[in-house]
Amino acid sequence: GAGVSQSPSNKVTEKGKDVELRCDPISGHTALYWYRQSLGQGLEFLIYFQGNSAPDKSGLPSDRFSAERTGGSVSTLTIQRTQQEDSAVYLCASSSRTGPNQPQHFGDGTRLSIL
Amino acid sequence: KQEVTQIPAALSVPEGENLVLNCSFTDSAIYNLQWFRQDPGKGLTSLLLIQSSQREQTSGRLNASLDKSSGRSTLYIAASQPGDSATYLCAVKGKETSGSRLTFGEGTQLTVNP
Repeated sequence: GAGVSQSPSNKVTEKGKDVELRCDPISGHTALYWYRQSLGQGLEFLIYFQGNSAPDKSGLPSDRFSAERTGGSVSTLTIQRTQQEDSAVYLCASSSRTGPNQPQHFGDGTRLSIL
Repeated sequence: KQEVTQIPAALSVPEGENLVLNCSFTDSAIYNLQWFRQDPGKGLTSLLLIQSSQREQTSGRLNASLDKSSGRSTLYIAASQPGDSATYLCAVKGKETSGSRLTFGEGTQLTVNP
């Protein structure tokens, strides 16, 4: 497939555990974004990568959240010591480059449930 | 801080009706506005992107308009079909931040009844 791929599609874990969410962008796309979609909060920006660097990580809600991107391709979002309020759908998007009118292409998301 | 509002939150119509979804935003300093469709359990599918210099965009039965000065956009769906049932999200790409992040509204959940 040529789209943005996210794994796992669903993740259930106990409060306090660490989780890793993976995003595989469209081949050749240099910009990568993470968003979170939760009930009552809508869709919120978390972090943006251009290549392997993250010029904007202002949306990360706490220091328990971190993300990295390697080889200008796959990105991993890590949540440490998960809390129940972390339950949400985590969406990844990529675009061919930054710039005001580059459309972002979204994956199907990872549905995270914290028990 | 940019805020995006969508009205109504939910809409149910019979098949064949024409309908309008509304989106408003508080900061007119935007690069573009984009309408997305989201089906249950799925990601977002881009429908239309209107650049700040444009007034409207059309794709098939969909027409989106943009009035940047008043901070408003509408998505017009002609001759609605049951397959149009989904959540519709609008998002703006603002000039206040770097990196071209999108700011989303909370969506309109549309149901088209056969």
